[in-house]
Amino acid sequence: AQSVTQLGSHVSVSEGALVLLRCNYSSSVPPYLFWYVQYPNQGLQLLLKYTSAATLVKGINGFEAEFKKSETSFHLTKPSAHMSDAAEYFCAVSRLGAGNNRKLIWGLGTSLAVNP
Amino acid sequence: DVKVTQSSRYLVKRTGEKVFLECVQDMDHENMFWYRQDPGLGLRLIYFSYDVKMKEKGDIPEGYSVSREKKERFSLILESASTNQTSMYLCASSTHRIGEEGYTFGSGTRLTVV
Repeated sequence: AQSVTQLGSHVSVSEGALVLLRCNYSSSVPPYLFWYVQYPNQGLQLLLKYTSAATLVKGINGFEAEFKKSETSFHLTKPSAHMSDAAEYFCAVSRLGAGNNRKLIWGLGTSLAVNP
Repeated sequence: DVKVTQSSRYLVKRTGEKVFLECVQDMDHENMFWYRQDPGLGLRLIYFSYDVKMKEKGDIPEGYSVSREKKERFSLILESASTNQTSMYLCASSTHRIGEEGYTFGSGTRLTVV
């Protein structure tokens, strides 16, 4: 069974500092991996995804993530945090379901605070 | 861009009322999903549908039902609202290629049951 673990439910960084949000997955087959962002009182928006092409994936708003099979990780990074990055971030992995359809399996989320 | 529209952003209902949450998507997606989101519990899947008139239970279906009479519309029904159903409800849709494309979410409905 596939699962996702996000280490750290709350992360706080200073404006301009490196952002690192951790995601580890378990999967018996090559996974598809996703990061989503949720701003307050809004739905989730796709940041980036890994679909077995390049292991370093670039997304929107300067975020990127690196797929590391040996570590079963897909950590999200941004070199310099901006106040507007304060949000909830979710990591997800796809799971093969009935009829070859897939559902996403979600981590519990990491709340990112950016301090001035 | 795919749009997933949830009919209400904020809703206040009384205990025991029957509540309908509507979700409409405009890109002919096969799959639709209803989640609830609570602090510390992440996203929990209530129901999902792979096609018109098809539905499957998710992880927490108790107290809810769904309807999908048309491909673009997926309704979540709270048969008799209770205070423990106060939550943020999120609708999402996708093609069959979930693994490659992920989900598209609506803006959410924050439901308060008093």
